[in-house]
Amino acid sequence: LAKTTQPISMDSYEGQEVNITCSHNNIATNDYITWYQQFPSQGPRFIIQGYKTKVTNEVASLFIPADRKSSTLSLPRVSLSDTAVYYCLVGDGMDTGRRALTFGSGTRLQVQP
Amino acid sequence: GAGVSQSPRYKVAKRGQDVALRCDPISGHVSLFWYQQALGQGPEFLTYFQNEAQLDKSGLPSDRFFAERPEGSVSTLKIQRTQQEDSAVYLCASSLSPSGTQETQYFGPGTRLLVL
Repeated sequence: LAKTTQPISMDSYEGQEVNITCSHNNIATNDYITWYQQFPSQGPRFIIQGYKTKVTNEVASLFIPADRKSSTLSLPRVSLSDTAVYYCLVGDGMDTGRRALTFGSGTRLQVQP
Repeated sequence: GAGVSQSPRYKVAKRGQDVALRCDPISGHVSLFWYQQALGQGPEFLTYFQNEAQLDKSGLPSDRFFAERPEGSVSTLKIQRTQQEDSAVYLCASSLSPSGTQETQYFGPGTRLLVL
């Protein structure tokens, strides 16, 4: 199973763009890259998922270079409410029998006023 | 629409006591997962159900942990003879189909268990 590495913590200010990079050197051909967000006292929440190049939704953008060995979650113009833990996950895109998500320790983002 | 709900939200148990944690998944979701989250760590997989069938229980830490989903909807995680190391947040998640890990999982708020 591909292992992911991401910074333990990051600080930012309101209105700034935040980029969180995750490395996954052993990503397999069929693996998707998925990001979840977790607020205190809540369960994780799906943010965005991609396979290659760039994916954008109403919450974030996900940039994946051609070699797919890393990915960057971009949060535009963060607010205080974006303070949370962000998890990068890499998993199978095919039904190989593995369905559980493997979380690391995540990146704790603190947004200051 | 209704999301995943869990009850109780908080549970304090004396060491040796049995506890039961309930999960109500999103209606119609085939897959149901239980995770355990220690303070400051990411969630760790415990067990997986596809409808009423428990297909993977490789993450259950000991035989004191038991989970069921008898009618393919509500699930209960039971911990017998609780120990202090069982103190954690227990998260339930459901997903629509039995696909792989690319399928979005919807998490409940968790049950925070404290064993004294």
